[in-house]
Formats: sequence, C-alpha cells, structure tokens
Amino acid sequence: EVQLVESGGGLVQPGGSLRLACAASGFTFSSYNMHWVRQAPGKGLVWLSRISTDGSGEKYADSVKGRFTISRDNAKEVLFLDMDSLRVEDTAVYYCVRGNIQPAPGLDLWGQGTLVTVSS
Amino acid sequence: QAGLAQPPSLSKGLRQTATLICTGNSNNIGNLGALWLQQHQGHPPKLLSHRNNDRPSEISERFSASTSGNTASLIITGLQPEDEADYYCSTWDTSLNAWVFGGGTKLTVL
Repeated sequence: EVQLVESGGGLVQPGGSLRLACAASGFTFSSYNMHWVRQAPGKGLVWLSRISTDGSGEKYADSVKGRFTISRDNAKEVLFLDMDSLRVEDTAVYYCVRGNIQPAPGLDLWGQGTLVTVSS
Repeated sequence: QAGLAQPPSLSKGLRQTATLICTGNSNNIGNLGALWLQQHQGHPPKLLSHRNNDRPSEISERFSASTSGNTASLIITGLQPEDEADYYCSTWDTSLNAWVFGGGTKLTVL
C-alpha cells in the first residue's frame, strides 16, 4: 500500500525540541521530493519545508527557518523534521507530504499527521 | 508569507453544482496554476486535482478544475452529502520561493 506514516509528535515545553519521522512505503521514496506541512487546530494548511530527492537541497518557510531542519534517509525510506526552539504557536498537526512531478509538480500524497503540542 | 484567497464558506443544495474560487497573482496561480485538496473533519487532505487541472484516476468525474488568469476554480457537480468538507487550493509562489495555500472554503451541502 502506498502510504506515509508520521510519528514523534507529543507534548513539549516552549523552547524545547522534537524530532518527527515519516515512514514511506509502497513507492520509490528516493524518486520524490518530500515536504512537511502543518495545520494548527481549527486553522488552514501551512507549508513548512521541502527536501530534494537526494537530500542535497532544502527550502524553508520564513516562520521556521533557522529553527527547523528537514532531512531524509533514502536507504530506510524515512523523512525527518527536527524542530528546535519550539513556540506555543508551533502547536499543530504536522503532515508529511510527497511531492509529485507528473503531471505537474504538486503535493499528491499526505500522511495521517502527528500532533505536536507546545505548552508549559 | 502571503497566501491565496478563498471565500471561507459556501452552501449549496443536494445535487446542485458548486464552484469554488481561489485567487492569487502572477507569481503563483497566474504562472503555475493551482492544485486542489479536500479535507474531511479529522482526516488528512486528499488531492483532488493537479496543478495542470488533471484529476487523479481515483477521483470522481464530478470534480473538475480550471484556471483563468490569476484565478483557479474547482467545480463540483451533482453535490452529495459526502462532498461536505474543507477545500484548499495551493501552488508554488516564485516570488516567495515557497508553497502557498488558500485559507480554505468550507462547503456545506444542504
């Protein structure tokens, strides 16, 4: 089955760190750019970061640049998001998303999400 | 970072046609089109339409997308109760160098 399964969410204090993981299966992971997108409770979707197929290129939204780091392990087919200096406003469901190229570059496969709660 | 503009809500009757609108600019929709996502309460988003307006094979023909200038549209015909959901548009913005989303439209099927 083609799927993405996130893990690693939980409760963390402001200023703390957390590492999210996303296990891919059912497709050739190393052929796809991968993204992280988050959704605060009751709010819309916000793109956070993208990593290229071989991990050599990364892009970040201004809101997380310098605090979050995206990485991947193609051998194990896992995507990561390392989050530092977490703030209350980082509380959200974090989605791992596959970046398709055909028929047009997009966001075609979404994981079920993992909830990160930043609170004291 | 600025996003795309979507009306927050839309209500339509059963079996009617709904047209959802997403407005951007020449740095995003005007240049690259927009994809559409459907999200039911408590579930992750699901792709309905690619940026070139092609529909994934598993998506019903009742869903179709189009682009005109800086505006993208999603047309849903023969509305069914299961179409009640939040709908988001999204695309790459060449000026912001980031993916941007609309705020979402909550579709209610009466």
